[in-house]
Amino acid sequence: NAGVTQTPKFRILKIGQSMTLQCTQDMNHNYMYWYRQDPGMGLKLIYYSVGAGITDKGEVPNGYNVSRSTTEDFPLRLELAAPSQTSVYFCASSYSANTEAFFGQGTRLTVV
Amino acid sequence: QKEVEQDPGPLSVPEGAIVSLNCTYSNSAFQYFMWYRQYSRKGPELLMYTYSSGNKEDGRFTAQVDKSSKYISLFIRDSQPSDSATYLCATREDAGNNRKLIWGLGTSLAVNP
Repeated sequence: NAGVTQTPKFRILKIGQSMTLQCTQDMNHNYMYWYRQDPGMGLKLIYYSVGAGITDKGEVPNGYNVSRSTTEDFPLRLELAAPSQTSVYFCASSYSANTEAFFGQGTRLTVV
Repeated sequence: QKEVEQDPGPLSVPEGAIVSLNCTYSNSAFQYFMWYRQYSRKGPELLMYTYSSGNKEDGRFTAQVDKSSKYISLFIRDSQPSDSATYLCATREDAGNNRKLIWGLGTSLAVNP
């Protein structure tokens, strides 16, 4: 039972570097989400997708990009890493807007 | 005012205690209410999901929704050390075009043996 798989689990980036956080799900879910979680700040939605080829901004999209070329994959791209992007990133998926969201294990990113 | 308010705690209780976790919300259009549990260094997982006002019970857990007061609660009976985690409430409007969950900040709970 793979569910939602995120890679890598940990990463240290230097300021200005770029990277892609990978997320894949094997539940044939239509909806996928990217959140960041900072201490004392709760979960903030970065981007979400309601199906392949469709993406939309969440609360905090600046500095990030996403694509959804397949149902399974929803990568998150950081183009010019900044210290403010140090956070734990969670990918999630759900079958529909009204059903349970399943979360990955998270990617802990530090930008120095 | 935040759309969902949740006291971050931390809350520390002895094993066997009854725990009450609460959230308030401001938007009367919110119709779906969820409680997620998040263990340290893990992703959140769904614990309870309710649509209507009233109580919903699942084992030692009871979710309560009072739409007139815009107040949601999670009760844990006979709490166990394995219940130590952060509990997040979440809510959203009815389906329509709004597909986003609104999250509380989470309450950190420690159950001491």
